[in-house]
Amino acid sequence: QVQLQESGPGLVKPSETLSLTCTVSGGSISPYYWSWIRQPPGKGLEWIGYIYSSGSTNYNPSLKSRVTMSVDTSKNRFSLKVNSVTAADTAVYFCARSPRGYGDYQYWGQGTLVTVYS
Amino acid sequence: EIVLTQSPATLSVSPGERATLSCRASQTVFTYLNWYQQKPGQAPRVLIYDTSSRATGTPARFSGSGSETDFTLSISNLEPEDFAVYYCQQGSNWPPTFGQGTKLEI
Repeated sequence: QVQLQESGPGLVKPSETLSLTCTVSGGSISPYYWSWIRQPPGKGLEWIGYIYSSGSTNYNPSLKSRVTMSVDTSKNRFSLKVNSVTAADTAVYFCARSPRGYGDYQYWGQGTLVTVYS
Repeated sequence: EIVLTQSPATLSVSPGERATLSCRASQTVFTYLNWYQQKPGQAPRVLIYDTSSRATGTPARFSGSGSETDFTLSISNLEPEDFAVYYCQQGSNWPPTFGQGTKLEI
């Protein structure tokens, strides 16, 4: 069974960089699309972007200038960086897998809460 | 970007009844419309993809229909475990977007 697990700091200071990693077990990174999706406390879901197993990326234009994704196929994991964070970036961050770029998201990590605080 | 509007925001029903949830898109998404269920403290779980295909493990009491801009998720014979928040999501246009959710409550 495919499992995804997010990891990274739960607290980030304003203007600094949020860094998260999603480790995939029970399956290969290839040939899937790996997305990051976030959910501010008590609110809805926002797609951040995806990285394909080959390394190609596509980001939400609302975040594009601040987001970088990378993949390490040898370690079966992929990563997210969001720079210049503000309180508006406080959210539960999920990683997810889909067979195509824009959904459907068949497998999800449990999510990790990242709080931007000063 | 395509805006998805879900209605109602909250739906109060009783176990054993039928629930009908709506999702309207600001422009056509063809049939690239997916439905997710989210329970408190959990990740969303895909129920229906491409408008009407049940994902693996989705009970038959869940069904999806619609096309272009108007979509419906129907849940018949509600079970206690069905009370959750439901989101629609379009996979037609970049960027993929989600509706704001419908809370199904007792």
